[in-house]
Amino acid sequence: SYVLTQPPSVSVAPGKTASITCGGNNIGSKSVHWYQQKPGQAPVLVIYYDSDRPSGIPERFSGSNSGNTATLTISRVEAGDEADYYCQVWDSSSDHQVFGGGTKLTVL
Amino acid sequence: QVQLVESGGGVVQPGGSLRLSCAASGFTFSNYGMHWVRQAPGKGLEWVAFIQYDGNNKYYADSVKGRFTISRDNSKNTLYLQMNSLRAEDTAVYYCAKGATMTTVTCFDYWGQGTLVTVSS
Repeated sequence: SYVLTQPPSVSVAPGKTASITCGGNNIGSKSVHWYQQKPGQAPVLVIYYDSDRPSGIPERFSGSNSGNTATLTISRVEAGDEADYYCQVWDSSSDHQVFGGGTKLTVL
Repeated sequence: QVQLVESGGGVVQPGGSLRLSCAASGFTFSNYGMHWVRQAPGKGLEWVAFIQYDGNNKYYADSVKGRFTISRDNSKNTLYLQMNSLRAEDTAVYYCAKGATMTTVTCFDYWGQGTLVTVSS
């Protein structure tokens, strides 16, 4: 089955840029989606189809996908961005949706 | 606005059964695929099951295949998850999630608040 690998944690100072990676075999050939989940809340879609932003998501959130790595980038990080972030793809070989293990973003 | 409201969670003994429901509103329910996603306490997200907009195609995670059944009633705008032969490892918050398209090849653009299922003796 297809595996997505994320770093367990990323730390960043306020106002700086955070990059969260999602690794997978030839992930560049798939569409990657990203979710933000704050404690006690349901996940929220922040990036879809690699780099599109839903309405209401700040322009500070952006995404890219190439080769074996997809990346969620958060510019000018704010305290309110502190959350768990998950990447997700659809695996056509198994007809399964797959999530990465999640990355806890800490704002220092 | 899109609303997804789950219900039916609770405490059940190992080997028992439970049926979850998800009441949808704010969109044309019959036009979209729907999913169940779960999250064990302190763990990450795990996709559980998918049902196509018309109910004709269903897919399941290997961990629940043969034990769980996803279904929908488009006349009632409601999604269901019948869970049988429950195990301790099925303990989780279960989320109902709307697919952004009719099929499974998509993201989850709206989520419910979740319902907690606890499997314990």
